[in-house]
Amino acid sequence: GNSVTQMEGPVTLSEEAFLTINCTYTATGYPSLFWYVQYPGEGLQLLLKATKADDKGSNKGFEATYRKETTSFHLEKGSVQVSDSAVYFCALSENTPSGAGGTSYGKLTFGQGTILTVHP
Amino acid sequence: GAGVSQSPSNKVTEKGKDVELRCDPISGHTALYWYRQSLGQGLEFLIYFQGNSAPDKSGLPSDRFSAERTGGSVSTLTIQRTQQEDSAVYLCASSPHRGNEQFFGPGTRLTVL
Repeated sequence: GNSVTQMEGPVTLSEEAFLTINCTYTATGYPSLFWYVQYPGEGLQLLLKATKADDKGSNKGFEATYRKETTSFHLEKGSVQVSDSAVYFCALSENTPSGAGGTSYGKLTFGQGTILTVHP
Repeated sequence: GAGVSQSPSNKVTEKGKDVELRCDPISGHTALYWYRQSLGQGLEFLIYFQGNSAPDKSGLPSDRFSAERTGGSVSTLTIQRTQQEDSAVYLCASSPHRGNEQFFGPGTRLTVL
């Protein structure tokens, strides 16, 4: 079955520090990969995604590259801010062909989540 | 436009009671998902509806859990004879046909005493 493993948290950094949150996956096919973020008191929201090998997802200064050879999708940011404090989830979904040459994306398999705290 | 909404936001119940949790997806989204977020298990998939296809129930933890989706829109997750281990935040998400972003609701926090 599919699985996602994230680095253990919590992670505590000072403002402007470099961030890496490791994520590796196991999947039977060729999944799409995602990072979701949950800010305090808010719901889950998509941070970035990559749908095939070597794709780089980016948003709000965060980046992650889909590495098929190492089955990884590590999240990075060059300079974190206090407002980045949140819980980060790595996730995958299997891609299945659908009608008219399209692709359907199914259920998400999540990692355990990593709590990030950024201090001023 | 409105996002995914869920009700109630909080539910406290006694062990052995039945509960119903509601999800209103984003209008026009054909796919609807239920997940559970708990301290011990993280985020787990429960059930997935896609259009008129038979739902994927592979994540339901026991036969006390069931869900339906009426008219391809609103969904209700029912937990019968609740147990303390059912305490969790239940999240609903929807996505457009062939879309790959799932939009999550705020969740229902269920506490079983």
